[in-house]
Amino acid sequence: EVQLVESGGGLVRPGGSLTLSCAASGFTVSSNYMSWVRQAPGKGLEWVSLIYSGGNTYYADSVKGRFTFSRDNSKNTLFLQMNSLRAEDTAMYYCARHMAHMVSTAFDSWGQGTLVTVSS
Amino acid sequence: IVMTQSPASLSVSPGERATLSCRASQSVSSNLAWYQQKRGQAPRLLIYGASTRATGIAARFSGSGSGTEFTLIISSLQSEDFAVYYCHQYDNWPPAFGQGTKVEIK
Repeated sequence: EVQLVESGGGLVRPGGSLTLSCAASGFTVSSNYMSWVRQAPGKGLEWVSLIYSGGNTYYADSVKGRFTFSRDNSKNTLFLQMNSLRAEDTAMYYCARHMAHMVSTAFDSWGQGTLVTVSS
Repeated sequence: IVMTQSPASLSVSPGERATLSCRASQSVSSNLAWYQQKRGQAPRLLIYGASTRATGIAARFSGSGSGTEFTLIISSLQSEDFAVYYCHQYDNWPPAFGQGTKVEIK
């Protein structure tokens, strides 16, 4: 069974840092395209970042230069390092798998999310 | 690409049909997905390729459209279908979601 479990969210002050984790089971993250998608409270979904199976990463303009997407293949786990956090980064953060080993496709599996709150 | 969903909310009685719309600001071919999100839960993939149901999705969910105009129809709404529905285009980078349509009990 495919499963994604996020952790690492919490309350952080503006300008602070936080690292989110997404532990995968039932499939191999390094063979798939994986993304982070966030959802501000009461709002819609926003794509944040992508990691290719080959390891290349891409970011939304809103987080470029502040967030870093990485993975540990030995632990089958993804990470999102978030620096210089702003109030507008407050959101539930989901990791999601791209379907069918393709980058331009739907997200067929989602974690339950981890909440990041940026506030003083 | 900007994705616009309508209506923002929809009140439907159980057993009735719900029609949700999604419009793209430019053509996305058939590279469109629909997700269902219940309160406090992660989104769940319903439809991809504009009209293909994901694994395990009930036949009462159907998607149609191509280019810039898309429709999700839920025939005979069940109690478990009351949720927020999002469309998502993956034809152009970056991927973009609509703002959602909330389907409420009438």
